[in-house]
Amino acid sequence: AQKVTQAQTEISVVEKEDVTLDCVYETRDTTYYLFWYKQPPSGELVFLIRRNSFDEQNEISGRYSWNFQKSTSSFNFTITASQVVDSAVYFCALSEAGDNFNKFYFGSGTKLNVKP
Amino acid sequence: DAEITQSPRHKITETGRQVTLACHQTWNHNNMFWYRQDLGHGLRLIHYSYGVQDTNKGEVSDGYSVSRSNTEDLPLTLESAASSQTSVYFCATSSRDRGTYEQYFGPGTRLTVT
Repeated sequence: AQKVTQAQTEISVVEKEDVTLDCVYETRDTTYYLFWYKQPPSGELVFLIRRNSFDEQNEISGRYSWNFQKSTSSFNFTITASQVVDSAVYFCALSEAGDNFNKFYFGSGTKLNVKP
Repeated sequence: DAEITQSPRHKITETGRQVTLACHQTWNHNNMFWYRQDLGHGLRLIHYSYGVQDTNKGEVSDGYSVSRSNTEDLPLTLESAASSQTSVYFCATSSRDRGTYEQYFGPGTRLTVT
């Protein structure tokens, strides 16, 4: 079974629009970690955020914000006032505690196209 | 600054040949990982290591092997390259000891098997 689902394969928006990237995860562990990574067209993977399962507080960093809801097993990512430079593939990932600590399960990614 | 490097960045090889992809990190992290990235699949874990002499299979380990003789390096070997192994390969590292947990990725190696 897929542990991390990113149902949106590709999203296109016009610059300055807000956009939300969905991430739904599945785990039986009570302690786990969620991550978002950005992969721009140049190909590198850039770490954006880590969230612990015991901290449901939402986070905002500039134009980026993350909404973590354990009740719906979701960790969604919103970009406010999108810019062309936000065009990239975004990956959500899950890491569980225990013997397989720090193994990452990645979603299949959402490609975001921001048009000028 | 600490970094993680991969070499070569691009490789073309023929079916049946043995290929080794290098990964070197100067973070002094215990954990190292190899992934492959294919369209529609995101990143899939091939092998990983939690320390020297420790190696473990990931979800797509068939046809690949790794060895960990020191902290800095985790080379990935394709024993007999197949066209299905054409992919982009990423190495990553992380440190549980430092309480951060996130993985830091190398720049990737694009491998083409003809």
